[in-house]
This record gives sequence, structure tokens and C-alpha cells, in this order.
Amino acid sequence: GAVVSQHPSRVICKSGTSVKIECRSLDFQATTMFWYRQFPKKSLMLMATSNEGSKATYEQGVEKDKFLINHASLTLSTLTVTSAHPEDSSFYICSARSSTSQETQYFGPGTRLLVL
Amino acid sequence: GQNIDQPTEMTATEGAIVQINCTYQTSGFNGLFWYQQHAGEAPTFLSYNVLDGLEEKGRFSSFLSRSKGYSYLLLKELQMKDSASYLCVPMDSNYQLIWGAGTKLIIKP
Repeated sequence: GAVVSQHPSRVICKSGTSVKIECRSLDFQATTMFWYRQFPKKSLMLMATSNEGSKATYEQGVEKDKFLINHASLTLSTLTVTSAHPEDSSFYICSARSSTSQETQYFGPGTRLLVL
Repeated sequence: GQNIDQPTEMTATEGAIVQINCTYQTSGFNGLFWYQQHAGEAPTFLSYNVLDGLEEKGRFSSFLSRSKGYSYLLLKELQMKDSASYLCVPMDSNYQLIWGAGTKLIIKP
């Protein structure tokens, strides 16, 4: 199956700093990438949908100035958590959808963010 | 509205069979996925049904009835490593995945 990688897998940062998370599709072209957040024992929550070369579409309640998303190429999307706060500590997961298949999303392994 | 209903938790015995049921309501429908998620990890794909009927893949099978808004995941010959959450995830008319909290499956020896 298709492979999606995320980097870093874990990150600890100080409150007020910014953290960038990368999501890469390794063996296919992803016209659309999705960013999710998951708190412990809760369901995945879609934060935003990004299409290559255009601005991301954010879900209601997600601050676009705080969670900056860039999808500059067909294989890379980045999520930057700006001015991180302890409440931003969560599990961030990206997924990628191939240009040839609208149905299937391939998930990255996730990034665990801890803000101190 | 859109919603998913599946048991919060189930317990089964190693070597046995378990069926996890799911009912859903979505705005339009473009198929239904089952994902497995181990604690602290991202979901992994198990199955995709878009037509009615049973799809079998090794020890796992998934069934869909679109008219009833119903699906189930059947796991056979349970192994300890099958202890995980199982997520029933329908896709709506906009190809958006609709996520619930899933069913936590506990396998006992």
C-alpha cells in the first residue's frame, strides 16, 4: 500500500515557541492532504484540508493563524503550530489522498506534541 | 446530522470470533472504511466497502448494508495483538471521512 511519513514522531517544546510537522507521501502524488488532531481516548478531529498549490480549508473552530498549513508540492504538506500552548499538546496525524483515488486516505504514523 | 453508533468497548477471548456492529447516518454516502488503531498510534486501514455485501480479507471480514445504514467488522481466530480500537468510518458525499470514537476491543487469553 501507499506510504505516508511524518516527521518528527515526537516533539517537546516550550510554551510560546513554534513547531513544524512535515507530512510526506513517499510513493504517490497526493493532491489532497488532511490534518487531524486526536486527544486521548477521543475520536480523530479533522483540522484542515489542504490541496496542493492552494490555501487550506480549515474546520470550524480551528484557528488558521495558529495552525499554518502549507502544501507546496504533491508530496509534502507542513503544519506549523505557532506560539504553542500546553493545551495544544496532542497527537497530530496527517493523511494523504492520491490524485487517482478519491476514496482512499493513507495515514501517516502521527506526531506526538508536548508543550511544556 | 451525521453520526456513528458502535459499542464503546467489547471483550473477547483469544482464538474466538467477534463481530463489531456499526450504524451510521451521513449526508450522502461514498463508502465505509474500517480502521484499526492501537493506543498511541495512527489508524491503519482494514477494509473499504462501497457496495452491499461481505468483503473478506484474511481473518477480517466487513459487511455493508447501505439501505439499513449498517456495517459490521468480523474478526476470526482472535490474537492478543488484535487488542485495539476499531473505527467505523463512513465517507459522505463530499468524500469527507466521518470519525467516531470507535470500539475498544479487549482480547483475553
